[in-house]
Amino acid sequence: EDQVTQSPEALRLQEGESSSLNCSYTVSGLRGLFWYRQDPGKGPEFLFTLYSAGEEKEKERLKATLTKKESFLHITAPKPEDSATYLCAFISSGSARQLTFGSGTQLTVLP
Amino acid sequence: ETGVTQTPRHLVMGMTNKKSLKCEQHLGHNAMYWYKQSAKKPLELMFVYSLEERVENNSVPSRFSPECPNSSHLFLHLHTLQPEDSALYLCASSQTRGAYEQYFGPGTRLTVT
Repeated sequence: EDQVTQSPEALRLQEGESSSLNCSYTVSGLRGLFWYRQDPGKGPEFLFTLYSAGEEKEKERLKATLTKKESFLHITAPKPEDSATYLCAFISSGSARQLTFGSGTQLTVLP
Repeated sequence: ETGVTQTPRHLVMGMTNKKSLKCEQHLGHNAMYWYKQSAKKPLELMFVYSLEERVENNSVPSRFSPECPNSSHLFLHLHTLQPEDSALYLCASSQTRGAYEQYFGPGTRLTVT
């Protein structure tokens, strides 16, 4: 069965302390791996799509990478406004073009 | 208005009530989705509409009834809900059903008493 696991569940960083969030997946026929950001009381906000191993995407302090088993969201010198829950999701050839989400990593950046 | 809007933002209803959630997208998209987000659980896809036709129904109880009158509007009609239905209900849209980038509304926080 296709599935995705995010770790850690929660992460607390000091402002400026770089780190990475992990999304491990077991998917046959991966069509795309997605990262979303969700603030409390709001809907998820699209960040990145990765399609193949070795691909990288960057946006401000965030960089997403993809291997054949994992995706990482690297956060460089985070600021308090980066605090949010980060969700990864996938679409596979067997999922009828539906997004399947992980449980998320709740990131808190302390000033 | 821009993006995807949802009303109401908060709703408290009794188990015997009937209510409706509304979603409107201003992006010119052709596919719309309902998701349920419960505490400590991943987002669960409930329904998918493409060009106003329902194309997916992921084993959702019949007490949830979707309606898509046109490509910009999506409703979720609720009746005889259970306390375990309390959750954040999110609407999303995408250019087409096969487009991978989905844009979400802010959600309706539903509490069933």
